[in-house]
This record gives sequence, structure tokens and C-alpha cells, in this order.
Amino acid sequence: DQQVKQNSPSLSVQEGRISILNCDYTNSMFDYFLWYKKYPAEGPTFLISISSIKDKNEDGRFTVFLNKSAKHLSLHIVPSQPGDSAVYFCAASMSGTSYGKLTFGQGTILTVHP
Amino acid sequence: DTAVSQTPKYLVTQMGNDKSIKCEQNLGHDTMYWYKQDSKKFLKIMFSYNNKELIINETVPNRFSPKSPDKAHLNLHINSLELGDSAVYFCASSQSDRRSPNSNQPQHFGDGTRLSIL
Repeated sequence: DQQVKQNSPSLSVQEGRISILNCDYTNSMFDYFLWYKKYPAEGPTFLISISSIKDKNEDGRFTVFLNKSAKHLSLHIVPSQPGDSAVYFCAASMSGTSYGKLTFGQGTILTVHP
Repeated sequence: DTAVSQTPKYLVTQMGNDKSIKCEQNLGHDTMYWYKQDSKKFLKIMFSYNNKELIINETVPNRFSPKSPDKAHLNLHINSLELGDSAVYFCASSQSDRRSPNSNQPQHFGDGTRLSIL
């Protein structure tokens, strides 16, 4: 039962353009969402998060949008840079469960071409 | 100044053996986790400890036994290794909020241990 899904296995974008990574979830109890970035042979690195009381959170070039009614979130990277090329995971958790257990999507490989 | 470190990085062993993976964090966090990333690239939580106490134990075979000697360390021991145990195992840590123990805080991950069973 896959509660968090990233339906695009890969995305290719030109440097300087916008990258949009999408994530859908099925469990309406999720109320906290995170994006992680992962380079090969390294662990995931936290990028940005959003609580369900918000619909947008911004941090520099990274913005996360949350649409609760559609159970959908997206990560916008603008402008995209070659160093952004990595695997991006979205994750979700719910308050009231033990210490923030995260449920991950399967990841999207982003390639930013110079 | 590695925040979450795992050893070994690679582990190649035969079916039936027993092996351990160690994890240490120097972030002062009180909660630590083990995740498994399988061949389909899903990251799935296995265990979580808060201040040396087991708080999350997902449906994991009892051949897997975590141990937390102190809140900075969480080791994973695996008995009678099977082919299906081949995966990348990630350790992570986070800091809980004492005022709200179930509050959400980002988790910091180690670089993973790639376990290959021959």
C-alpha cells in the first residue's frame, strides 16, 4: 500500500528554467510534508518542509506548494542549476504518531542540463 | 565533522551469516532511526529509538535486532542473512520537541550501508 507516490521517475530540465517535481498522497491524516535531495552514494539531505496549515513555503530557490484537497504537493526549483541534479524524495508524516515516522515516495531523478 | 555516520559503507557477505551495522550521530539528537531502501528504491522505516527506548518497530523479521547503547548510537544486528536482505540501510536522527513529543522535525541521514548477500 503505497501512501506516497511520485509518478514521474525522471525529469529533465534546462539550466535556468523551472523544475517542478510532483508528489501525491492518499492518507488524509498526513499533516507534515518534506522534500529530500539525494546524491549517489550519499544519504538523503533535507531540503524544505511544509505543514498542512500552510499551502506554500519558500526557501531561496525552493518553494513547496501543498494542495490538501487534491492530496498533492509539488516542489519548484527556480532557476534550476546543474548542481540540482539528484534524486528528490517527498515524504509525509502525521502528528500523533511516534516521533515523526516518515513515509517516502519512490523518488524522481532530476537532471539539469547546462 | 560528519553528523550521522554509519559503518561499514559496504558489506558483502554470504547467506546465513550474522552481521552488524553501526550508526553514530554527533548532533545531540535524542531520536534515531533505521530505514531500508530496497531494489525499487523505496525508503521504508524499520525502527526508531528515542533516548534508548524503542518507539517504532515496523513489520520487520525478528532476525533484525536494533540496539541503542546510548542516545548517540543505534546499531543494527542481522542474524541468518537472506538474499532478500540485500539493500541499502540508512540511519537517521532527529530531535524531538519535549513539549510536543510527536511534533515533526526533519531527520538527518547517514550515507547508507550497502549490504549485498551472495
